[in-house]
Amino acid sequence: GENVEQHPSTLSVQEGDSAVIKCTYSDSASNYFPWYKQELGKGPQLIIDIRSNVGEKKDQRIAVTLNKTAKHFSLHITETQPEDSAVYFCAAKLTGGGNKLTFGTGTQLKVEL
Amino acid sequence: GAVVSQHPSWVICKSGTSVKIECRSLDFQATTMFWYRQFPKQSLMLMATSNEGSKATYEQGVEKDKFLINHASLTLSTLTVTSAHPEDSSFYICSATKELNYGYTFGSGTRLTVV
Repeated sequence: GENVEQHPSTLSVQEGDSAVIKCTYSDSASNYFPWYKQELGKGPQLIIDIRSNVGEKKDQRIAVTLNKTAKHFSLHITETQPEDSAVYFCAAKLTGGGNKLTFGTGTQLKVEL
Repeated sequence: GAVVSQHPSWVICKSGTSVKIECRSLDFQATTMFWYRQFPKQSLMLMATSNEGSKATYEQGVEKDKFLINHASLTLSTLTVTSAHPEDSSFYICSATKELNYGYTFGSGTRLTVV
């Protein structure tokens, strides 16, 4: 099955700085890589995703890069704001794996004023 | 679009009783729904996958007789925690997907506390 590792577990940045969270996956057959933001007591919200036929995707302050050879993908948040503070999870979907997602362990991002 | 509604948002029950959690896709037909459990400061752990009209597929270590899943229609899946015990206290989250290459939409979660 798929295994997803995520680093760092906690990240503290100053407002306006950039934040980068990295994930690695084990199965080269994975083809879909979403990123979720989870606020306390709420369900995960999709913030950006990327498919295996694309190397980079950007949506305003958020970008995701995918390196299929190295089997890792990263989330980049620029110009961070206090409201970006939350737990972020990466995930990977294995082709033919019953359509299910495997989640990383999460990163607690804190944006300080 | 792609909204998933989950109810209740929180529930407290006594040990030994059963609790039902509902997950509805409001604006799309969900071919597959998933149920997760999340303990404090941990990641989401998949419990089971359910497809409309068929039996759920449970992950290893999840007791199918304790966590009953029903996916009777393309817009509704339910999770029933039977004979709940304090160790079942957790945050339960559902998600739904429309088709194989579609994204996943998550519900808002249900905080279950068993006393």
